[in-house]
Amino acid sequence: DAMVIQNPRYQVTQFGKPVTLSCSQTLNHNVMYWYQQKSSQAPKLLFHYYDKDFNNEADTPDNFQSRRPNTSFCFLDIRSPGLGDAAMYLCATSRDYRGGIYNEQFFGPGTRLTVL
Amino acid sequence: DAKTTQPNSMESNEEEPVHLPCNHSTISGTDYIHWYRQLPSQGPEYVIHGLTSNVNNRMASLAIAEDRKSSTLILHRATLRDAAVYYCILDYGGSQGNLIFGKGTKLSVKP
Repeated sequence: DAMVIQNPRYQVTQFGKPVTLSCSQTLNHNVMYWYQQKSSQAPKLLFHYYDKDFNNEADTPDNFQSRRPNTSFCFLDIRSPGLGDAAMYLCATSRDYRGGIYNEQFFGPGTRLTVL
Repeated sequence: DAKTTQPNSMESNEEEPVHLPCNHSTISGTDYIHWYRQLPSQGPEYVIHGLTSNVNNRMASLAIAEDRKSSTLILHRATLRDAAVYYCILDYGGSQGNLIFGKGTKLSVKP
């Protein structure tokens, strides 16, 4: 089945130690998104790629970076994780931006990040 | 950003219909209405979307008010597996198709 895969499902890192989360998709979608979801809160968009074009949300901290080397893969890099960065990180894809069914987002299962 | 308002929580009995309301009074003419749900410990999943007309799919129905300022997600027969947080989201359908998640409604289903 076509899907969005996130690895690892659980990641533990130390305060200040860089960490990379990965996402891959078999849907061949143009758009890939990264969301942060803290406990009991709604997902919050960090940034997204339309193909190779990167779009950062205005309030995303500089500590968060992303790379998309090809259509299938997208990475979230946290350069110096703080305790406040502990959260579920969700990757999603969509075919396009054109609204309606084109903007239907397919989510991966998430990576739960713990910062010690 | 156009915003949505949903009740924080709702309860339902198993096998009964559930009507989840959403207010979006600042919706513009080109905004789609999307519903997603998030089961415990999973990523959100798409449920249904609509623009002006009511919509049905295998998961649910979406009833959109004539003035489009509100909508209702209808689960025809709730099951225990439907217990989740349901998000009503406006999709601008423009050059930036971001979904801005609100707080959602936590649906509990009692056996």
